[in-house]
Amino acid sequence: EDQVTQSPEALRLQEGESSSLNCSYTVSGLRGLFWYRQDPGKGPEFLFTLYSAGEEKEKERLKATLTKKESFLHITAPKPEDSATYLCAAGGYNTDKLIFGTGTRLQVFP
Amino acid sequence: ETGVTQTPRHLVMGMTNKKSLKCEQHLGHNAMYWYKQSAKKPLELMFVYNFKEQTENNSVPSRFSPECPNSSHLFLHLHTLQPEDSALYLCASSLLAESEQYFGPGTRLTVT
Repeated sequence: EDQVTQSPEALRLQEGESSSLNCSYTVSGLRGLFWYRQDPGKGPEFLFTLYSAGEEKEKERLKATLTKKESFLHITAPKPEDSATYLCAAGGYNTDKLIFGTGTRLQVFP
Repeated sequence: ETGVTQTPRHLVMGMTNKKSLKCEQHLGHNAMYWYKQSAKKPLELMFVYNFKEQTENNSVPSRFSPECPNSSHLFLHLHTLQPEDSALYLCASSLLAESEQYFGPGTRLTVT
């Protein structure tokens, strides 16, 4: 069964304290691994798509990487405005569906 | 308006009411989706429309009825809902079914 698991469930960081979020996936024939950011009361905001193992993408303080079994979202020197829930989702070749994880709630304190 | 819009943003309805949620995308996309988001649960895909044709119905109860009159508009008709249907309902669109999805702000639904 296709599955996506994110860890940790919640993460508290001091401003400037770098860390990584994990997304483990089990999907038959991965066509894409997607990262989203969701602020309270809002819809998810698209961040990155990764297609193959070894691929990396960056945006400001965020860098996403992909292996054959998991993806990491690295946050370098985070700021309070990076506080949000980060969601990952995996899509397989033989389906239109995205399988979402439950997210990591990140809080960055000044 | 740009992106994906949803109306209403908040809805309170009784179990015997009938209401509809509306979604509109201004991105020129061809696929549209309805998701349900409940606390502490992953996003649950409800329906997928690709070029106006329904391609996915994820075992959703018949009290939820989708309608996609064209590639830019998507509706979710609601009737005789249950309190456990209270959730954030999100609409999304993508250029193609396999592309990244862009979400609207959601409708916060409360069933009393």
